[in-house]
Amino acid sequence: AQSVTQLGSHVSVSEGALVLLRCNYSSSVPPYLFWYVQYPNQGLQLLLKYTSAATLVKGINGFEAEFKKSETSFHLTKPSAHMSDAAEYFCAVSDLVGGSQGNLIFGKGTKLSVKP
Amino acid sequence: KAGVTQTPRYLIKTRGQQVTLSCSPISGHRSVSWYQQTPGQGLQFLFEYFSETQRNKGNFPGRFSGRQFSNSRSEMNVSTLELGDSALYLCASSSETSGGTDTQYFGPGTRLTVL
Repeated sequence: AQSVTQLGSHVSVSEGALVLLRCNYSSSVPPYLFWYVQYPNQGLQLLLKYTSAATLVKGINGFEAEFKKSETSFHLTKPSAHMSDAAEYFCAVSDLVGGSQGNLIFGKGTKLSVKP
Repeated sequence: KAGVTQTPRYLIKTRGQQVTLSCSPISGHRSVSWYQQTPGQGLQFLFEYFSETQRNKGNFPGRFSGRQFSNSRSEMNVSTLELGDSALYLCASSSETSGGTDTQYFGPGTRLTVL
């Protein structure tokens, strides 16, 4: 079965510092991977998506993620954190082999805090 | 293009009641999925509808049901509400026609509180 693990439920960085949010996946087939962001009392907004076209994926708001098959990882990075980046981030894999094919399996989420 | 809309945004019910939530997908999108988000369990898939048919179903009891109309709008219903049903219910739409590769776009959610 496919699964997603996000390391660190809370990450705190200073404004201007590097943001690194970790995601590891488990999949028996080439995965489709996503990062979503959720601001308080809002739905999920897509940051970026990996579909095997390129291992380095650029998303919105300066975020990018690199797919590393050997490490089964899809970590999210941003070179310089901004206060507005404070939110909860979810890594997800598309369920391509399970009983609910085509739908998303989410990690538990990582809350990012940005200190001034 | 308008995004996914969900109504109502907030809802308070008591145990034993039933509730219906509504979702209007992005224009042209034929797939609608529903997810439940709780602090304890995180985001969990409920079910997906495509062209008025339930195509996939998550691991939830039969009290949770849904339907999709010919205009792709979807409703989900929860009967005999329990305290544990308190959650944010998220709807997502995609233009997906087969097997899980297209992007899902989420609505703002309906916050259900069961007292």
